[in-house]
Amino acid sequence: EVQLVESGGGLVKPGGSLRLSCAASGFTFTNAWMTWVRQAPGKGLEWVGHIKNNTDGGTTDYAAPVKGRFTISRDDSKNTLYLQMNSLKTEDTAVYYCATGLIWGQGILVTVSS
Amino acid sequence: SYELTQPPSVSVSPGQTARITCFGDKLPKQYVYWYQQKPGQAPVLVIYEDSARPSGIPERFSGSSSGTTVTLTISGVQAEDEADYYCQSADSSGTWVFGGGTKLTVL
Repeated sequence: EVQLVESGGGLVKPGGSLRLSCAASGFTFTNAWMTWVRQAPGKGLEWVGHIKNNTDGGTTDYAAPVKGRFTISRDDSKNTLYLQMNSLKTEDTAVYYCATGLIWGQGILVTVSS
Repeated sequence: SYELTQPPSVSVSPGQTARITCFGDKLPKQYVYWYQQKPGQAPVLVIYEDSARPSGIPERFSGSSSGTTVTLTISGVQAEDEADYYCQSADSSGTWVFGGGTKLTVL
């Protein structure tokens, strides 16, 4: 079955850190450009960033609100995508999705609150 | 920054045709993707590359493009089509841009 499954979400205090994981199965993960998208409560979809496949350089790019605080990485040997989130702010509270475009995970909630 | 503009809401009666537009000044050079999102669920791709339909998406969903505006058309709307719809495009570096979303209400 083709799927993406996120994990690692939860409640964290402002200024804290959290690492999300996204386990891929059913498709060739090594070929995929992978993207993180988030959705704040009651709001629309917001692109967080992406990582290219290693053939295309494995480079990353980030949205302005998270640049310098979030880091996307991948472990192709484990078919897993990561999102390291540091210096978290209350406005980072959202459901975070990993996606390829056609394939989306179910989402994981991150709540930043004191 | 680059923006995609959608109407906040569209309302139609069952069986009618719903049209949801997405405007962006770079759209003539970029593909658009449409997602359907129901409450509490992840987005689902319903149209890719302006007008192609993924496997499993009903034929009543179609997409078209004309200059700076792309349109998602849902023919013979059903109650189950009530959802939020988002257009999305990507630049050459892979950066995604989303429209603000359109809430489709089936009356």
